Amino acid sequence: QLQLQESGPGLVKPSETLSLSCTVSGGFISSSYYWGWIRQPPGKGLEWIASINYDGAAYYNPSLESRVTMSVDTSKNQFSLKLSSVTAADTAVHYCARHTNSQIDYWGQGTLVTVSS
Amino acid sequence: QSALTQPASVSGSPGQSITISCTGTTSDVGRYNFVCWYQHHPGKPPKLIIYEDTKRPSGVPTRFSGSKSGNTASLTISGLQAEDEADYYCWSYAGFSTWVFGGGTKLTVL
Repeated sequence: QLQLQESGPGLVKPSETLSLSCTVSGGFISSSYYWGWIRQPPGKGLEWIASINYDGAAYYNPSLESRVTMSVDTSKNQFSLKLSSVTAADTAVHYCARHTNSQIDYWGQGTLVTVSS
Repeated sequence: QSALTQPASVSGSPGQSITISCTGTTSDVGRYNFVCWYQHHPGKPPKLIIYEDTKRPSGVPTRFSGSKSGNTASLTISGLQAEDEADYYCWSYAGFSTWVFGGGTKLTVL
């Protein structure tokens, strides 16, 4: 059974960079899928942030593109997210996920990242 | 890229049927047969209940069904049960390897 687990700081200061990693177990980061990040601010809906292919081709939500970078490390079976210049509006539960064009089929449990001084 | 439009809330009594709409554009919902629906209970990751507009993953009850007409996809839940109370999100491929969620709909079972 594929499992995804988010890791990273739960608290980030305003204007700094949010960094999260997702470790995949029970399977391998492969070419058949996208590996992505989704967030949910408190009391709000889900938002797709970005996704990456196994070969490192990354795709970003246009509304966040200027601040987001994704990377993948297939040797560690991990992919990562960096979001720069964060504000309180970036406080959210962040999920990592595996998906295709047509469905997200595996999710991590989610990790809350709070932006506060 | 704008969020797909869903009603903020819907409600129904046990045993009734409800429908949640998800309206996009000709660039996303209307262009691809790649709408899926998620059921989200607080504190848990979302659960896939419909994919590719109308298909149901194994294990999802048959009372969940999906449909689409033009730029609007719909999720229908028949025979509402108390455990169906949750938030529901649609998600669509929007081309050029981008994706978009709906704003979410809170379902209340009265």
